[in-house]
Amino acid sequence: DAGITQSPRHKVTETGTPVTLRCHQTENHRYMYWYRQDPGHGLRLIHYSYGVKDTDKGEVSDGYSVSRSKTEDFLLTLESATSSQTSVYFCATLPRSSSGNTIYFGEGSWLTVV
Amino acid sequence: QQQVKQSPQSLIVQKGGIPIINCAYENTAFDYFPWYQQFPGKGPALLIAIRPDVSEKKEGRFTISFNKSAKQFSLHIMDSQPGDSATYFCAASIFGNEKLTFGTGTRLTIIP
Repeated sequence: DAGITQSPRHKVTETGTPVTLRCHQTENHRYMYWYRQDPGHGLRLIHYSYGVKDTDKGEVSDGYSVSRSKTEDFLLTLESATSSQTSVYFCATLPRSSSGNTIYFGEGSWLTVV
Repeated sequence: QQQVKQSPQSLIVQKGGIPIINCAYENTAFDYFPWYQQFPGKGPALLIAIRPDVSEKKEGRFTISFNKSAKQFSLHIMDSQPGDSATYFCAASIFGNEKLTFGTGTRLTIIP
């Protein structure tokens, strides 16, 4: 357990509205990630961060932005939500030592865009 | 481009049987291969991992078999139990690199 809290856990929003998902961690892990999970696609990386204000794109970053102003918080923003962004979103963290690459996941945020 | 291919998509096994989940990778630079287990409503959690300097690794009832020449690795669950019912993801990365590439997942059901 890496002390990862995601909020909100469930959200229904309308197409075209902005949405922000928050990830908070208590373990001072350096790396943080946002993944989305969809049937038939597994876990796909949206964005990740390797330090405060240091972020980079993953494989499915279009339509998403992120910010990390503090070590413990990593925000994922959908600027204008679309139905294709209906998914389960997982935040994950990796300790400063990347040896073994044990990534810890939060419990997920279920987002429905109607 | 999917760099880690996982099969089957779903699997039903009777209690006590040995489910086998297979993964194949393309990037020969990968040298760390973990398996994650996910229960409904929860996030994935590391189950077991292997590096290519060994061909097999066991932890309890879970075994990873690794075939470097074929670029394949698999998860075997011995004496499977209904509590093993979950979604299993294989993954791969370059050891020390901070990004994992995941397979598409296998939904495993163990029936009593």
